[in-house]
Amino acid sequence: EVQLVESGGGLVQPGGSLRLSCAASGFTFSDYYMDWVRQAPGKGLEWVGRIRNKANSYTTEYAASVKGRFTISRDDSKNSLYLQMNSLKTEDTALYYCTRVPFDYWGQGTLVTVSS
Amino acid sequence: DIQMTQSPSAMSASVGDRVTISCRASQGISNNLIWFQQKPGKVPKRLISAASTLERGVPSRFSGSGSGTEFTLTIGSLQPEDFATYYCLQHNSYPYSFGQGTKLEIK
Repeated sequence: EVQLVESGGGLVQPGGSLRLSCAASGFTFSDYYMDWVRQAPGKGLEWVGRIRNKANSYTTEYAASVKGRFTISRDDSKNSLYLQMNSLKTEDTALYYCTRVPFDYWGQGTLVTVSS
Repeated sequence: DIQMTQSPSAMSASVGDRVTISCRASQGISNNLIWFQQKPGKVPKRLISAASTLERGVPSRFSGSGSGTEFTLTIGSLQPEDFATYYCLQHNSYPYSFGQGTKLEIK
């Protein structure tokens, strides 16, 4: 059974940093591209970014709203996906989902709250 | 960047109604469009990929059509479990973008 479990969310002050993790199981993690998608409270879905697999050099793509502040990485030996978030803003407050491309499996999300 | 505009943003309908939700792309995206359903407190569920391919296990009352810039999600006969928010996603070019969502409520 495919499972994606996010962790690492919490309360952080504006300007702060946070690192989210997504633990994957039930499939060959290293074969897949992985994405992060977020959803602000009561709002719609927003695509955050992607990391490709080793065969595609682990290259990344980002939404304009997070480019230069967020970094996506992965550790295939640990079946894990990461989202390093720096220079956080109040508008980054959201539930952050990891999802297997092509968006067929999603984690339950981890909540990030940016507030003073 | 490609903007995705869904309409309507909200609608109410009755069980048994036929419902159509539209999604328009600001530039051509071929058929690189996915439809999702999200119920309150739940994770998005992929319903349709490649604009018109129904995911396994999704009831046949759901259908998708369109290509280029105009896309449609149709629910043939609404069931109580279909009341949810629906999103389109373009994955033709980066950055990917979702529509703002269509909230389907019971009349």
